[in-house]
Amino acid sequence: DQQVKQNSPSLSVQEGRISILNCDYTNSMFDYFLWYKKYPAEGPTFLISISSIKDKNEDGRFTVFLNKSAKHLSLHIVPSQPGDSAVYFCAALTGSARQLTFGSGTQLTVLP
Amino acid sequence: DAGVTQSPTHLIKTRGQQVTLRCSPKSGHDTVSWYQQALGQGPQFIFQYYEEEERQRGNFPDRFSGHQFPNYSSELNVNALLLGDSALYLCASSFLSGRGGAQYFGPGTRLLVL
Repeated sequence: DQQVKQNSPSLSVQEGRISILNCDYTNSMFDYFLWYKKYPAEGPTFLISISSIKDKNEDGRFTVFLNKSAKHLSLHIVPSQPGDSAVYFCAALTGSARQLTFGSGTQLTVLP
Repeated sequence: DAGVTQSPTHLIKTRGQQVTLRCSPKSGHDTVSWYQQALGQGPQFIFQYYEEEERQRGNFPDRFSGHQFPNYSSELNVNALLLGDSALYLCASSFLSGRGGAQYFGPGTRLLVL
């Protein structure tokens, strides 16, 4: 049972345009959501997070939106740059051990 | 400030062998979590260590065991290796008290079981 789902395995956008990556979850006990970026041969790099009591968090070009009623979150990257090309993972935190549950990732390609 | 480091970077083993992977957490972090990432999937939680004890375990068999040392570094041991254990093994460190704090990942150890 996949508790965190990223239904789009890949996404291509033009440089300078907006990239929107989506994520759905089923477990209402998740209390924090995070986005990670991963380049080949590197570990995931933390990008941005949001508490379940918020609906938006912004950090520079990155904004995460949370819709609790729909159990959906999205990451907006504006403007997209070629260096943003990577696999993006949505993850959720829960439990006293704060274990991360990851989605399967979305490969973002930003075309020059 | 050194980030999370892992060793070795790559490893090739045969079925039935045992392997030990190592991790040094980011400076100041007290908690180490281990994840397994199979090809084309997101990382899966194996277990977490804090104060040299396993705090929580994911859905992995007892062949997977670990240890945390007084300096917070950690080891992941896998016994009786199976072909399906071939994956990228990631270590992540954090503060236990950081409720929403991010976990910071190392570059991983890629294990190939033949």
